[in-house]
Amino acid sequence: EDQVTQSPEALRLQEGESSSLNCSYTVSGLRGLFWYRQDPGKGPEFLFTLYSAGEEKEKERLKATLTKKESFLHITAPKPEDSATYLCAFSGAGSYQLTFGKGTKLSVIP
Amino acid sequence: DTEVTQTPKHLVMGMTNKKSLKCEQHMGHRAMYWYKQKAKKPPELMFVYSYEKLSINESVPSRFSPECPNSSLLNLHLHALQPEDSALYLCASSQGDRSGELFFGEGSRLTVL
Repeated sequence: EDQVTQSPEALRLQEGESSSLNCSYTVSGLRGLFWYRQDPGKGPEFLFTLYSAGEEKEKERLKATLTKKESFLHITAPKPEDSATYLCAFSGAGSYQLTFGKGTKLSVIP
Repeated sequence: DTEVTQTPKHLVMGMTNKKSLKCEQHMGHRAMYWYKQKAKKPPELMFVYSYEKLSINESVPSRFSPECPNSSLLNLHLHALQPEDSALYLCASSQGDRSGELFFGEGSRLTVL
């Protein structure tokens, strides 16, 4: 069965303390791995798409990477405004539609 | 600011009421979606419209009735809902129904009494 698991469930960082969020997946025929950011009470905001192992994408303090089993979202020198829930999602051979992980809630403390 | 607009932002209704959620996008996207999200859970797909036709219904109860009047508008008609239907209802759009790059609205927070 296709599935995705995110860890940790919650992460507290001091401002400037770099870290990584993990998204482990088991998908037959991965079409794409997606990262979204969601602020409380708002809709998710698209961040990145990764299609193949070895691919990397960057945006400001965020960098997403992909291997054959995992994706990482690296956060360099985070700021309080990076606090949010980060969701990863995949589409696979079974369906083009997204299946979301449960998310990692990131809190960055000033 | 999001380019997908949802109204109302908050809705409280009784189990016998009939109400509608509305969604509008002007990005020329040809696919539109309804998702349901409960607290501390990921979004769950309900319906997908592609070129104004319903292409996916994820076995959603008939008390939820979607409608796509044109390529820019998406409605979700609500009737005889249950308290467990209380959730954040998210509308999204994308270039096509095979794209994983979705643009979400801010959602409509629904409370069923």
